[in-house]
This record gives sequence, structure tokens and C-alpha cells, in this order.
Amino acid sequence: SYELTQPPSVSVSPGQTARITCSGDSLPTKYAYWYQQKSGRAPVLVIYEDTKRPSGIPERFSGSSSGTMATLTISGAQVEDEADYYCCSTDSSGKFWVFGGGTKLTVL
Amino acid sequence: QVQLVESGGGVVQPGRSLRLSCAASGFTFSLYPMHWVRQIPGKGLDWVAVISDDGSSKHYADSAKGRFTISRDNSKNTLYLQMNSLRPDDTAVYYCARGGVVGSSPPLDYWGQGTLVTVSS
Repeated sequence: SYELTQPPSVSVSPGQTARITCSGDSLPTKYAYWYQQKSGRAPVLVIYEDTKRPSGIPERFSGSSSGTMATLTISGAQVEDEADYYCCSTDSSGKFWVFGGGTKLTVL
Repeated sequence: QVQLVESGGGVVQPGRSLRLSCAASGFTFSLYPMHWVRQIPGKGLDWVAVISDDGSSKHYADSAKGRFTISRDNSKNTLYLQMNSLRPDDTAVYYCARGGVVGSSPPLDYWGQGTLVTVSS
């Protein structure tokens, strides 16, 4: 079955740039979506269609995609950005969805 | 405002069945596909199933195929997940999430608060 691969953890100091990667064979032709999940809460969409930011999401969140890798970038990460981040996409058929294993972002 | 409220979780013995519901409000439910996603406590997100806006098309993760059935009642603005032959590794928080409409809204943009299913004897 299709898989998306993320690093388990990323750590930055406040104000630094955090980059979280997601690799998958179908990403050249399928969009990546990124979700933020804080402890005990439901996930929140922070980036969709590789690069778009939903309303209400701070501008410091951005996304990019090149080849088999999508990247979530948090420019000037803040303590409140500490959370688990998940990438999501579909397989080549577009019918089956998959999440990456998640990346724990630590900002301190 | 968009609201999704799951219900039906609880403790169930292995091999038994359970039906989850997700009541939707604040949007035209019949225009959107809908998903179920689950999360084992302390673990990552795991996509379970999706159903088309009219219920005619359904797709399942391998872990759900043959045991789980996604359905919807557009007259009641409600999404369902029938889970049969439950196993201990089905223990998870189950979320419903709104699907996407091309040119209108991205997939999985709104989520419910989740309902916990515990499979244990």
C-alpha cells in the first residue's frame, strides 16, 4: 500500500525556520495537505494543494512541493506552533487517502 | 459554522459490532464527500474510508475492507461507520471529516472532536 514518509521529530528555537518534509511516490502528480494537531485536539488543516493556506492560518506557514517531496515551512516558529504535523495525500488512483507518520515539532 | 459531532463510541468486546454516527451542520451535507479517520491513542492519523456526496462510491483502507461499512443519510445530515468483527487493534479515536469539493473547499478541512472506541474483553 501507498506510504508517505515524514521525519519523527524536528526541533527549532523560537524565531527559527522549521521545515518538515514528506516523501511519497505519487506526490509529483497528487497534492499534499498538511495538518497540525495539538495534544488532545482534532487536526487542523494548515496547508492544502501543496501551497495554499486556509483563511485564519498565520502567514508563517507555507508549503512547497518538488518531485516526490513536499515540505511544510514555518518561518519564525513560535512556541505555540509546537504540535504534531501530518502530511496527507492520495495514491495514484486518487481514491485512497494516506497520512504520513507524523512529525513532532518542538520549539524551545 | 461547520460542525461535525461524532457519537456511538464506547467499550465493546472483540468480535462484536458498533455503529458510529457523525451529525453534520452548518453546510450543505449532501454536496460533500465525507471521511472517517482514526487515531490510536498516542499514535498517528490513519485514514479509514471515504464516501461520495450521494453515497454511490465508497473506498476503504485495507484495515477496514470487509469489516467496516461507511454510509450516509443525506436527509438526516448524518454519516455512519458500521464496524463489525472488531479487534483490539481497532481501539482508537474515530474522527469524521468533511471531504473536498473541487474549486470550492479542500478535503478534510473540518473535523469532529472524535469518539473513542475501545475493543477489550
